[in-house]
Amino acid sequence: DIQMTQSPSSLSASVGDRVIISCRASQGISSNLAWYQQRPGKVPKLLIYAASTLQSGVPSRFSGSGSGTDFTLTISSLQPEDVATYYCQKYDTGPPLTFGGGTKVEIK
Amino acid sequence: EVQLLESGGGLVQPGGSLRLSCAGSGFIFSSNAMSWVRQAPGKGLEWVSSIGATSGNTYFADSVKGRFTISRDNSRNTLYLQMNSLRAEDTAVYYCSRGGQYTRSHFDYWGQGTLVTVSS
Repeated sequence: DIQMTQSPSSLSASVGDRVIISCRASQGISSNLAWYQQRPGKVPKLLIYAASTLQSGVPSRFSGSGSGTDFTLTISSLQPEDVATYYCQKYDTGPPLTFGGGTKVEIK
Repeated sequence: EVQLLESGGGLVQPGGSLRLSCAGSGFIFSSNAMSWVRQAPGKGLEWVSSIGATSGNTYFADSVKGRFTISRDNSRNTLYLQMNSLRAEDTAVYYCSRGGQYTRSHFDYWGQGTLVTVSS
């Protein structure tokens, strides 16, 4: 099975900073990758799918890139409401639809 | 508005059984694959199981294979997860999620979750 590895596992940044989260697949998955945001105590929310397509209603400061095995989620200007844990998920050939371990983002 | 509402969680003893339900509304339920994702206390997301739009294909994580069964009743717009031989490590919030036309898709809507606690 393909493994998904996120880095870093946590980060602290200032409001307005550019934040980059990485996700690496153990094998190529083309662009079949999604990113989710889970705010503390809340339900996960889809941010990006197909590696770079922004889900409707998601602020444009979020962006995704990559294909194959290496992917990134970028927050161009960190806002207080972006405090959350972010997960990547692969869905190339179908189940298992593995999630990465998560990246916790905090405000410095 | 798409809504997913889980029910059926609770406290169960090790070795026991529980059936979760997820009622969908606001979309054509029979057009979408559906999945269950769980999150143990303080841990990350773990995919558990998926079922195709017409129930033809089902998939399970290795951690639950042989113990859990997924099914759906498209006439009732409801997804189910039958959980048998429950273990302490199955303790988690279980989320119902909507996929695309096929099981190889991301999840665009999630329910609020239902807590399952396995303890004596």
